[in-house]
Amino acid sequence: AQTVTQSQPEMSVQEAETVTLSCTYDTSESDYYLFWYKQPPSRQMILVIRQEAYKQQNATENRFSVNFQKAAKSFSLKISDSQLGDAAMYFCAYRSVYNYGQNFVFGPGTRLSVLP
Amino acid sequence: SAVISQKPSRDICQRGTSLTIQCQVDSQVTMMFWYRQQPGQSLTLIATANQGSEATYESGFVIDKFPISRPNLTFSTLTVSNMSPEDSSIYLCSVDLDTQYFGPGTRLTVL
Repeated sequence: AQTVTQSQPEMSVQEAETVTLSCTYDTSESDYYLFWYKQPPSRQMILVIRQEAYKQQNATENRFSVNFQKAAKSFSLKISDSQLGDAAMYFCAYRSVYNYGQNFVFGPGTRLSVLP
Repeated sequence: SAVISQKPSRDICQRGTSLTIQCQVDSQVTMMFWYRQQPGQSLTLIATANQGSEATYESGFVIDKFPISRPNLTFSTLTVSNMSPEDSSIYLCSVDLDTQYFGPGTRLTVL
């Protein structure tokens, strides 16, 4: 079974600075998707970024970018120019391309604080 | 993408009672999913709901405790039965369109 690990339970960053959240995963599959979700205090799960494993190019979405290292099974999220609104729980997630829907695995989460 | 609504957004319930949570999607989807998020924890899949068939439950979750209905392709309900304080959690529904989209969640507190 696939597992997702986030080794940083909590992180903090100064406003306007850059922070990187770590995620590693374990799988024997060659094709899959990886995601970062943000959950602010409102509890809404918001998709931040999505990466297909077959794409070597790292996904980017405005101030959010990933460093996808397939061989190392690493998928870190970089937040540039951090803003107060970035404060939230961040979950890394893995989705198999097989076993539709039932193989969506979440990491334990990293709580990010943004300091003014 | 998908727009998902849930009702109620929050509730406070007495031990031993039941609560039904509704989930509405703005498009037709084959599968809908129900998750539980206990305080300070990540998301745990409760069950997968297919229209026209019994829901598929994950290990540790049973139909008697969490009955699910899926009457059509845009709607599902999850009932939390015979509640205890341990059921206090956020319950989220979602759909999978190669990316999982989530409803806003229902915050349940059981006294």
